Amino acid sequence: AQKVTQAQTEISVVEKEDVTLDCVYETRDTTYYLFWYKQPPSGELVFLIRRNSFDEQNEISGRYSWNFQKSTSSFNFTITASQVVDSAVYFCALSEANYGQNFVFGPGTRLSVLP
Amino acid sequence: DTAVSQTPKYLVTQMGNDKSIKCEQNLGHDTMYWYKQDSKKFLKIMFSYNNKELIINETVPNRFSPKSPDKAHLNLHINSLELGDSAVYFCASSPILGNYGYTFGSGTRLTVV
Repeated sequence: AQKVTQAQTEISVVEKEDVTLDCVYETRDTTYYLFWYKQPPSGELVFLIRRNSFDEQNEISGRYSWNFQKSTSSFNFTITASQVVDSAVYFCALSEANYGQNFVFGPGTRLSVLP
Repeated sequence: DTAVSQTPKYLVTQMGNDKSIKCEQNLGHDTMYWYKQDSKKFLKIMFSYNNKELIINETVPNRFSPKSPDKAHLNLHINSLELGDSAVYFCASSPILGNYGYTFGSGTRLTVV
C-alpha cells in the first residue's frame, strides 16, 4: 500500500540557515505523483510542487528546491536562506496513477524559523 | 474569486447537534474531496466524489454524509455530533482523480462542546 514518511516531526532553524525536509515514500505503482504542500499558521494548505515518477530532474524555484531520487524513494525539500515567513507545517504527499483515487499525506514536518 | 470556498470557517456546536459544512469550487474540476485534519495535523481522506458520484468512502462513521448536488458542490452533513468530531475539515478539488494535485479550501474548524 502507498505510504509517506516524514521522519522529522519538528525542525527549528535560525533565519538565513538552509534546511532540508525529508520525505520517503512507498508505492506499488510504477507511475505515481509526488507533492509538497505548505500549511502556514493561518491554516490554509498551499500547493508547492507536483512531480511525476518519470521526471527525476531536480527542481529549483527561488529559495526552494526539490531532490527526487527514485533509488531511495525520497523526495526531499530544501529551503535556502530560510526566512521567518517559511515557518509552517510542510506535507509531502503521494498519488498512485493506477490506484490513485486518493492522496496519501505524510504526517507533516513543523518548521520554525527563528529571527 | 476564491477557487474552493468552504462555509463556515468556524463552527462551535453542542454534542448531539446536526450540522453541515458547504463547499463550492469554481475551477471546473471533476473531483471533490473531504479531508479531516486532527489535532496532530494528520490529514486523512474521508470522501471523494467524481462528477457527483461517490468514489471513496473511507472508514468514517455513518453519521457523516456527503452530498453532491452537482460537480461544483460537495457538502458534508454530520449528525449527532460527538466531542471526537472536533477537527479542521478541508474540502478540496482536482481536475481528475488525484494526480494533478488538489486545490484546498481554507478549512472549517469544528469544535464540539
